[in-house]
Amino acid sequence: AQSVSQHNHHVILSEAASLELGCNYSYGGTVNLFWYVQYPGQHLQLLLKYFSGDPLVKGIKGFEAEFIKSKFSFNLRKPSVQWSDTAEYFCAVGGYSTLTFGKGTMLLVSP
Amino acid sequence: NAGVTQTPKFRVLKTGQSMTLLCAQDMNHEYMYWYRQDPGMGLRLIHYSVGEGTTAKGEVPDGYNVSRLKKQNFLLGLESAAPSQTSVYFCASSYLGASNNEQFFGPGTRLTVL
Repeated sequence: AQSVSQHNHHVILSEAASLELGCNYSYGGTVNLFWYVQYPGQHLQLLLKYFSGDPLVKGIKGFEAEFIKSKFSFNLRKPSVQWSDTAEYFCAVGGYSTLTFGKGTMLLVSP
Repeated sequence: NAGVTQTPKFRVLKTGQSMTLLCAQDMNHEYMYWYRQDPGMGLRLIHYSVGEGTTAKGEVPDGYNVSRLKKQNFLLGLESAAPSQTSVYFCASSYLGASNNEQFFGPGTRLTVL
């Protein structure tokens, strides 16, 4: 069975700081990886995904993530965060028909 | 195009009461999912469906039942609610399996069981 571990439960940053959220997974087969985001009062939406090819994937709103197979990692990055990035971020790994989500990282960006 | 909708948005139940949560999608998606979200626990899959008339158990199915009589609807039932079922419930759908297709989520139902 697959599992996902997110390193930080809460992260607090000032605007313009750089962001890196850690995600490690365990899965025996071909892996598909996702980051979903939940802004305050809104439902989850897809930030970015990796299926194959270039291990550096770009998503919406300037986010990117790098798949490092040897480290079983799929860390999310953004060079300069904004107050509007305040949200909860979920890493997920795709199995046969379903996703397994990590426990989430709450990001608070102070202006 | 409403996407994924859920009713009700909020509900308070007493222990032992029953209720049904309704999820509807208008994107002609085959797959539908029910999750619960609890603080510090992330999203956990309750049940899912890979097509009309099918259902399957997820990670935390106990205490819940589901039905997918119509392709566009996915119902989640609680036969005898317990305080441990206090949670936010999210429905999601995807064109095919969520493992390699984007999931679209509903706005959630906040359920409190007293």
